[in-house]
Amino acid sequence: KAGVTQTPRYLIKTRGQQVTLSCSPISGHRSVSWYQQTPGQGLQFLFEYFSETQRNKGNFPGRFSGRQFSNSRSEMNVSTLELGDSALYLCASSLGADRGIYGYTFGSGTRLTVV
Amino acid sequence: KQEVTQIPAALSVPEGENLVLNCSFTDSAIYNLQWFRHDPGKGLTSLLLIQSSQREQTSGRLNASLDKSSGRSTLYIAASQPGDSATYLCAVRRHGGATNKLIFGTGTLLAVQP
Repeated sequence: KAGVTQTPRYLIKTRGQQVTLSCSPISGHRSVSWYQQTPGQGLQFLFEYFSETQRNKGNFPGRFSGRQFSNSRSEMNVSTLELGDSALYLCASSLGADRGIYGYTFGSGTRLTVV
Repeated sequence: KQEVTQIPAALSVPEGENLVLNCSFTDSAIYNLQWFRHDPGKGLTSLLLIQSSQREQTSGRLNASLDKSSGRSTLYIAASQPGDSATYLCAVRRHGGATNKLIFGTGTLLAVQP
């Protein structure tokens, strides 16, 4: 059973550019969440998608956006990159969004460096 | 607002020692609590998931307990090995409102010396 796949693993971008990260959840999982990990802030919730709909959004500026496709794959986009966006971006998939009884499985992450 | 704290922030033990990692949370209205390990260059690996109605979960040398009323969870690692060296994170899935997100603790960096 394949795990959560995130691509690319590493990215180097210049300030002002935009970037798109991809996440393929475990087969059958319909919920995909995104988290940002930085040394100073730890793991912070970005947003969560379920059945192509954004259900929850964390406290991040509008430059951070995402979407989910009908096959549950998700993309995250960051526009007008800033140095502070350098972080490890983790995607997590879960079987469903009902009653919160399911755990999460995380991918290996995308390491984004903004220069 | 839910806050999750882990103590200690860092721990170094000799191989073979039993150890306990602590996690506390301020709001007991949670669906479940999950323990993860994070290895450098890798994503998070789920270790144990405890539902709010459960008291503990065990997997191999790991045992996690949950006391929802007091807002505490512990992760017990028996007979520690150098391969256990990693950052351990606990995360709670809150109940009500924005249910579908994890709130992570600050992490415990564990080093097991051979």
